[in-house]
Amino acid sequence: DIQMTQSPSTLSASVGDRVTITCRASQNINIWLAWYQQKPGRAPKSLIFMASNLESGVPSRFSGSGSGTDFTLTISSLQPDDSATYYCQQYSTNSATFGQGTKVEIK
Amino acid sequence: EVQLVESGGDLAQPGRSLRLSCTASGFTFGDYAVNWVRQAPGKGLEWVGFIRSKTFYEITEYAASVLGRFTITRDDSKSIAYLQMDSLKTEDTAMYFCSRGPHRFCSGYSCHSDYWGQGTLVTVSS
Repeated sequence: DIQMTQSPSTLSASVGDRVTITCRASQNINIWLAWYQQKPGRAPKSLIFMASNLESGVPSRFSGSGSGTDFTLTISSLQPDDSATYYCQQYSTNSATFGQGTKVEIK
Repeated sequence: EVQLVESGGDLAQPGRSLRLSCTASGFTFGDYAVNWVRQAPGKGLEWVGFIRSKTFYEITEYAASVLGRFTITRDDSKSIAYLQMDSLKTEDTAMYFCSRGPHRFCSGYSCHSDYWGQGTLVTVSS
């Protein structure tokens, strides 16, 4: 299986900060990467698909980039509602895999 | 409004079986793949498997951890997908989510999830 490694595992930032989460695949996954946001006790919510495509209804402060093995989720101006755990997922093979998650906290 | 509702979660003994259901509404169920993802208590997300639409022959894929024990099926006439879980192990204890996979954005091998249900809890314990 392809291993997905996210960094950092936890980050703390202030409202208005620019926040970047990275996701690295153990082999080339082209653009087949999604990002999800999950709040405690809730189902995940899709943010980004095909590495850089924003899901309908997702605020434009979220953006994704990358291809091959290295990917980034950026929140351009962190808001209180963005406190959550973020997961990347590769779906380039017939066995999709998730990263371990990045917890974003608001200072 | 797109909705997915899981049901069937319960307490089961190791070695026993459970069947989860995922009931969909608000869209043409037959046009989409269905993913199953689980989350053990306090842990991250784990992809379990998925089933393609009838257009793609309802072909299924599974994670190695459940292959041979879990089976995904679908009944498009009822807009329901099922996760049959046999030979349950304590490590199968988790919240199980079903989600919709839009074929037009899939890789050809698997799909991301654009809408998710709220999950159903499976506990495997003696």
